[in-house]
Amino acid sequence: NAGVTQTPKFQVLKTGQSMTLQCAQDMNHEYMSWYRQDPGMGLRLIHYSVGAGITDQGEVPNGYNVSRSTTEDFPLRLLSAAPSQTSVYFCASSTRDRGEKLFFGSGTQLSVL
Amino acid sequence: SQKIEQNSEALNIQEGKTATLTCNYTNYSPAYLQWYRQDPGRGPVFLLLIRENEKEKRKERLKVTFDTTLKQSLFHITASQPADSATYLCALTSGTYKYIFGTGTRLKVLA
Repeated sequence: NAGVTQTPKFQVLKTGQSMTLQCAQDMNHEYMSWYRQDPGMGLRLIHYSVGAGITDQGEVPNGYNVSRSTTEDFPLRLLSAAPSQTSVYFCASSTRDRGEKLFFGSGTQLSVL
Repeated sequence: SQKIEQNSEALNIQEGKTATLTCNYTNYSPAYLQWYRQDPGRGPVFLLLIRENEKEKRKERLKVTFDTTLKQSLFHITASQPADSATYLCALTSGTYKYIFGTGTRLKVLA
């Protein structure tokens, strides 16, 4: 039982490049979400999904796209990377019950030069 | 705007003592409050959940209190050990699927 798996662990991009951060979970969780963590800012919600085909915006969605075609996967796309997107990104999942505990992946450290 | 405050300064305590961490919030009415532990280079790990109608929750050496009048939660680790050294995050949700996290408090337990 792998839990929440994120790839890659580290990534360096140049400004304007695009990339996709991958997130997969094997717990049959309906709820999946993406956070970014910056020093002094805490974890901030980017996008979330409560099931396949359903996505919604969080606190800081600009510059990021998501889609949810399967229960297991929830990729995060950066269409045109900017230095302000340098951060550590975490994917989290849980059951659809409100207030449920989140299971986090190990994170992706992204640097945009 | 909604705000969660955790003591940004590191908390150093002696092994065997009780560590108490604070989470204060404003402009928010959470239905659920959670505490997570985060080690360097790792994702947060869930520790405890407390609901708005609960005053206290315990799990082994951990205790959480929730005072909706004071808009505050306290997180206690009794008989602390060096292995408890980590950053502890509080998170709130009003029952929607949006969770708001504090910045975390770094705890160091000295042997």
